[in-house]
Amino acid sequence: TQLLEQSPQFLSIQEGENLTVYCNSSSVFSSLQWYRQEPGEGPVLLVTVVTGGEVKKLKRLTFQFGDARKDSSLHITAAQPGDTGLYLCAGDTGGFKTIFGAGTRLFVKA
Amino acid sequence: NAGVTQTPKFQVLKTGQSMTLQCAQDMNHEYMSWYRQDPGMGLRLIHYSVGAGITDQGEVPNGYNVSRSTTEDFPLRLLSAAPSQTSVYFCASSRSGPNPGELFFGEGSRLTVL
Repeated sequence: TQLLEQSPQFLSIQEGENLTVYCNSSSVFSSLQWYRQEPGEGPVLLVTVVTGGEVKKLKRLTFQFGDARKDSSLHITAAQPGDTGLYLCAGDTGGFKTIFGAGTRLFVKA
Repeated sequence: NAGVTQTPKFQVLKTGQSMTLQCAQDMNHEYMSWYRQDPGMGLRLIHYSVGAGITDQGEVPNGYNVSRSTTEDFPLRLLSAAPSQTSVYFCASSRSGPNPGELFFGEGSRLTVL
C-alpha cells in the first residue's frame, strides 16, 4: 500500500510567521500535487511538481519536490489569516490512482 | 462554468437503506473518481473511471458500486448503508490518466448513516 505521510497534522501560528509542511513517502511518484481545502468545499489545486528537485513558487508559497520524487515540502513565508485552511499533498502513481495524505490543518491568527 | 456538480449536498440514511450520489461534469473529462474524506484520514479513493463504460476499484471499494454510461455522469451507489459509511464524499474529474494530474472536485456530499 502506498502511503503519503504529512506533518505536522495541525499548525497554529501568528500572522507574519513562516512555516513548512512536509509530505513523505517510501514510494516514487510520477508527479505530486498540493491542494488547499476550505470548510464546505472541495480541494483546489495549488501546484503540481513533476521533476525531482523541482522548486516552484506561488507568491509567498514555495513548493519543492525531492530529488528521488518520494517527498515534497510546502513553505509559506509571512503567513496571513487568508492562508488558513487544510493543505493536502497528493501523488500520482502512474496507475490511474491519485493518493492523498491526511492533510495539515493550518490556522493563522491575526 | 459549472465544473463538477454533486447532489445531494446532505443526506441522512438509516442502516440498510440504499441511495445514489450523483456526479456530473461539463468539462468533457475522461477521468472521474469518487473519494471519501474522514477526519484524520485524508481522501481515500473509492472507485474511478477512465472513460465511458470503464470503471475500476480504488482503495476502499467495498459497499459501493459505480457505473459510467456517459462521459458526463459518474454516480456512486450505496447498496446497503452502514454507519461506517458516514463520511463526506467528493467526486473529482481530470483530463486523462494514467497520471490524472490536476483533479477538479465537486463541493462534496455529506452523508450520515444512523
